[in-house]
Amino acid sequence: RKEVEQDPGPFNVPEGATVAFNCTYSNSASQSFFWYRQDCRKEPKLLMSVYSSGNEDGRFTAQLNRASQYISLLIRDSKLSDSATYLCVVNINTGGFKTIFGAGTRLFVKA
Amino acid sequence: EAGVVQSPRYKIIEKKQPVAFWCNPISGHNTLYWYLQNLGQGPELLIRYENEEAVDDSQLPKDRFSAERLKGVDSTLKIQPAELGDSAVYLCASSLDSDRGYEQYFGPGTRLTVT
Repeated sequence: RKEVEQDPGPFNVPEGATVAFNCTYSNSASQSFFWYRQDCRKEPKLLMSVYSSGNEDGRFTAQLNRASQYISLLIRDSKLSDSATYLCVVNINTGGFKTIFGAGTRLFVKA
Repeated sequence: EAGVVQSPRYKIIEKKQPVAFWCNPISGHNTLYWYLQNLGQGPELLIRYENEEAVDDSQLPKDRFSAERLKGVDSTLKIQPAELGDSAVYLCASSLDSDRGYEQYFGPGTRLTVT
């Protein structure tokens, strides 16, 4: 089992739709969590950190469920420009942090 | 504020040739990472530096890959000799610190093609 797993998609949604992605992690020593966005042939860019209490940034909401060991990303009112791959990142405390990236979930927002 | 700088952006070499990639992190970032990313996959860590010290190189194929960060600022990743399977994007990232899992910021990457 991979340490960090994501549904690869693709998710095809119309503009204005709400879409959600989950990311599961297997190591209970996981300490910090992030969502990155990666456009085709570009580098990953930090979208948002994921806090224990959940956090929101505009149309984006991230949540952490430690009991079930997953994080989620919700995008409301999808825009064409949201089309990208969304990477989940988990930092595991092994006496120094080890960073594990998921393989990403592809999102296509259609007009 | 300048971001992470990498060069070259693209490199095409024949197998068995050497190749080197350079990275300059964001000013003030102590931690530097080199990742490899294959198509359709997430980045995979090759090596992590805290200042000059390589604190995690467990995934670096040491028979052909080497890295250095002599003054704790910029870094070089080298492959010698390159193999066909090394074709990938090599990403450099930096963060303030890794002890608390700070956010990482990526450079544009070097796209390597080995023929």
